[in-house]
Amino acid sequence: DSGVTQTPKHLITATGQRVTLRCSPRSGDLSVYWYQQSLDQGLQFLIHYYNGEERAKGNILERFSAQQFPDLHSELNLSSLELGDSALYFCASSDRVGEKLFFGSGTQLSVL
Amino acid sequence: AQKITQTQPGMFVQEKEAVTLDCTYDTSDQSYGLFWYKQPSSGEMIFLIYQGSYDEQNATEGRYSLNFQKARKSANLVISASQLGDSAMYFCAMREAGYSSASKIIFGSGTRLSIRP
Repeated sequence: DSGVTQTPKHLITATGQRVTLRCSPRSGDLSVYWYQQSLDQGLQFLIHYYNGEERAKGNILERFSAQQFPDLHSELNLSSLELGDSALYFCASSDRVGEKLFFGSGTQLSVL
Repeated sequence: AQKITQTQPGMFVQEKEAVTLDCTYDTSDQSYGLFWYKQPSSGEMIFLIYQGSYDEQNATEGRYSLNFQKARKSANLVISASQLGDSAMYFCAMREAGYSSASKIIFGSGTRLSIRP
């Protein structure tokens, strides 16, 4: 158990809908990273939050947004969903030193 | 811009043999970190090993070692005495910037390793 909790584990929704993925980092970790992994693909970096502030952004679509709350949990919001958004979404947390990323078990999103 | 390249989409190795998974990277930073992760068919991401750019010794963690060649910008993973349970997808990753609070960590496309009994 990495200590990073992601909910829900599975999400099935329809095109055009909006969903929210939730991530609770390991106790004490200030950094949260979000990644998208499409079928048989590598992990695409979406966004990094540190102690509530956005610190780095990858190729995140404008339809996607994220935030990190004062209790350090993070949410990834995906709107106007398309079939191509179907993927495994991971969040990961790290301490300030950043020598290890601890991954959650992921949220499998299926857009039908 | 930072970039991670894994040129081996798939590899087959006989059980108990050593295997080297290739990873090259590109960055203009002097301070960075390199990671290897394992993703078995169950889907979870398992941390294997980390190498900092200023670390003089190659990192080792049990059967895993990282062959860090800074001048060549390569960070190959070596698995000694491979086991059937090593069959998985392996990802190389890099963190740019000297401090982790403002960094992005990008991943390569992965190498699928299959161990033959």
